[in-house]
Amino acid sequence: EPEVTQTPSHQVTQMGQEVILRCVPISNHLYFYWYRQILGQKVEFLVSFYNNEISEKSEIFDDQFSVERPDGSNFTLKIRSTKLEDSAMYFCASQRQGTNYGYTFGSGTRLTVV
Amino acid sequence: AQKITQTQPGMFVQEKEAVTLDCTYDTSDPSYGLFWYKQPSSGEMIFLIYQGSYDQQNATEGRYSLNFQKARKSANLVISASQLGDSAMYFCAMRGIRAAGNKLTFGGGTRVLVKP
Repeated sequence: EPEVTQTPSHQVTQMGQEVILRCVPISNHLYFYWYRQILGQKVEFLVSFYNNEISEKSEIFDDQFSVERPDGSNFTLKIRSTKLEDSAMYFCASQRQGTNYGYTFGSGTRLTVV
Repeated sequence: AQKITQTQPGMFVQEKEAVTLDCTYDTSDPSYGLFWYKQPSSGEMIFLIYQGSYDQQNATEGRYSLNFQKARKSANLVISASQLGDSAMYFCAMRGIRAAGNKLTFGGGTRVLVKP
C-alpha cells in the first residue's frame, strides 16, 4: 500500500538553528499538509499546499515557517530559527483529488529543540 | 470555525468488551466529514473510519463503527471486542467540505487502555 514517507524520524537541533523536515507524499496525490503535535496535546493544522502554492495556513504558521515542493516529489517544511516551543511531532499528510477523505499521514518527525 | 470536543481524556476497557469514545463537533459548514484516527505509542496516525454528513447509514469498518447523530452533532466511535492492541490514543477529526485547503481539525484525543 502506498505510503507517505517522512525523514528524519527524529531530529535534535539547537535553538536558533534552521531545520528542514522532508516528506515524500503519495505520487498521485495533489493536496499536501503539515500538522504538528506538541507532546501529549492535540494535532494542530499548520499549512495546506495545492497546485504549487499555499492554500491555507494557520496562525501557528508564521514567518518562521515555509513550505516548498522543490522537485515535484518532495514536500518540505522549513523552520528558519527554531525556538524551544517548536519541539513537537510534525506530520506530513497527502490527499488524492476527488475524494472527501483519503488522507494518508506519514509516521512523523519528532523535532527536539534544545 | 470548526470545533471538535472529546470529553474523555482516558478510559480503561476490559479485553473483549466494547467501548464507546465520545466526540461532539460544531461547524457552520453545510457539508462535512468526520474521521477517527488511532495513534499508538509509536506515534503514527492510523485512519480508522470516515462518516460523511450526508451519508444515510452509519459507517462501519470491521470492529469499528461510528454512531453518527447529526441533530446532536455527535460522532461517537464504538470499538467492539476490544483487543490489547487497541490500547492507543484516539482522535476524532472533522473536515468541512467547503473549507479551503481541506484541512482536518482534531479533538484533544482519548487515551484507551485495554486490560487483559
